[in-house]
Amino acid sequence: QSVLTQPPSVSAAPGQKVFISCSGSNSNIGKNYVSWYQQFPGTAPRLLIYENEKRPSGIPDRFSGFKSGTSAILGITGLQTGDEADYYCETWESSLGLLFGGGTKLTVL
Amino acid sequence: EVQLVESGGGLVQPGGSLRLSCGASGFIFRSYWMHWVRQAPGKGLVWVSQINHDGRSSTYADSVKGRFTVSRDNAKNTLYLQMNSLTVEDTAVYYCAREGYSSDWYGPDDWGQGTLVTVSS
Repeated sequence: QSVLTQPPSVSAAPGQKVFISCSGSNSNIGKNYVSWYQQFPGTAPRLLIYENEKRPSGIPDRFSGFKSGTSAILGITGLQTGDEADYYCETWESSLGLLFGGGTKLTVL
Repeated sequence: EVQLVESGGGLVQPGGSLRLSCGASGFIFRSYWMHWVRQAPGKGLVWVSQINHDGRSSTYADSVKGRFTVSRDNAKNTLYLQMNSLTVEDTAVYYCAREGYSSDWYGPDDWGQGTLVTVSS
């Protein structure tokens, strides 16, 4: 059971938008940055969002991040079949170390 | 281009030991904190350990504390993870990852391709 709670799965049609939530507490998300990662089967995670809302170079603006209080959201617009992957949120908690959400599997119908 | 290349994984018996390495290039290795993160087959990402830039400070997940030791050799641009008293629950792909820095440290940014550790009799 992860300290950070994500929905196990989300789905939407191509071209639509989807939001993936990540719920934590005052000890983790409430006081630290949130990052988001995309992972395809058999490959390493790729950083999508850091510092709650910033995108590394090369990440399209279809991906966005938002944090409020003890929750964070990853938004993906203009869904493509190539976006089908697992998505993880991440933050820090001083007593536990680096925390990852349980992961959300995105299906583009 | 940042490159992180893990090695040293393989099959080991319960109770055995293994040392993983992560070779780094494309950035000033001695300036960055580093992490080990693992992923059991079909499961999510789990943080294992981190080490600061000069190797003098490290932290561990409770599940590996006392059994795993992280270290680094900045002269060789290499990160290590010594794993002792391995159990079947340690079976996973092990990734090394670099801590990112913008205006502040913010979590892993670049990741290696991972190395598989299988603990089985």
